[in-house]
Amino acid sequence: KQEVTQIPAALSVPEGENLVLNCSFTDSAIYNLQWFRQDPGKGLTSLLLIQSSQREQTSGRLNASLDKSSGRSTLYIAASQPGDSATYLCAVSLGSGGATNKLIFGTGTLLAVQP
Amino acid sequence: GAVVSQHPSWVICKSGTSVKIECRSLDFQATTMFWYRQFPKQSLMLMATSNEGSKATYEQGVEKDKFLINHASLTLSTLTVTSAHPEDSSFYICSAPPGGAMADTQYFGPGTRLTVL
Repeated sequence: KQEVTQIPAALSVPEGENLVLNCSFTDSAIYNLQWFRQDPGKGLTSLLLIQSSQREQTSGRLNASLDKSSGRSTLYIAASQPGDSATYLCAVSLGSGGATNKLIFGTGTLLAVQP
Repeated sequence: GAVVSQHPSWVICKSGTSVKIECRSLDFQATTMFWYRQFPKQSLMLMATSNEGSKATYEQGVEKDKFLINHASLTLSTLTVTSAHPEDSSFYICSAPPGGAMADTQYFGPGTRLTVL
């Protein structure tokens, strides 16, 4: 059974700091891995999607890496801002299309960026 | 980008009543939709996979007779929580992959907050 874990569970940093969020999964047979952002009481916003054949993806101040063989992914946030404060979730997909597209979510990291 | 809506955004009901939550893909067709549940300060847990025109597939531990799923059209899936109890209070979120070239992408609804008194 695939299990996804995120470390740390919570993180508080001063504005401007670079930070790394970690995600690990127990079964390396994934199709892709995604990072999401969730604001309190809200739905999910997709940040980055990494296919299993890729090593990293970048979008603005965000960079996500994937080491499928070791079952790890990291989300790097550069020059953090108070607006980055949210819960960050990673999720793995077992396949593409239909029922295999279901996502297994990690436990989440609650990020607070202090002004 | 593709949009998925949910209705209602929040609902409060008495114990023993049934509540229906709708998930709609507004600008694309979705043969498959997923329903997740999120308890306070916890992550999302997949409840079931909704399949258009056929029965839903439920995850282990999810009661299919309590959480009724109907995917009657390519743009609408409904989740009905039957005889709701306080322990069913949660945040319910649906998602849908557009399919085709966008098959790897999933779009999430804004969620429905259910509170059972």
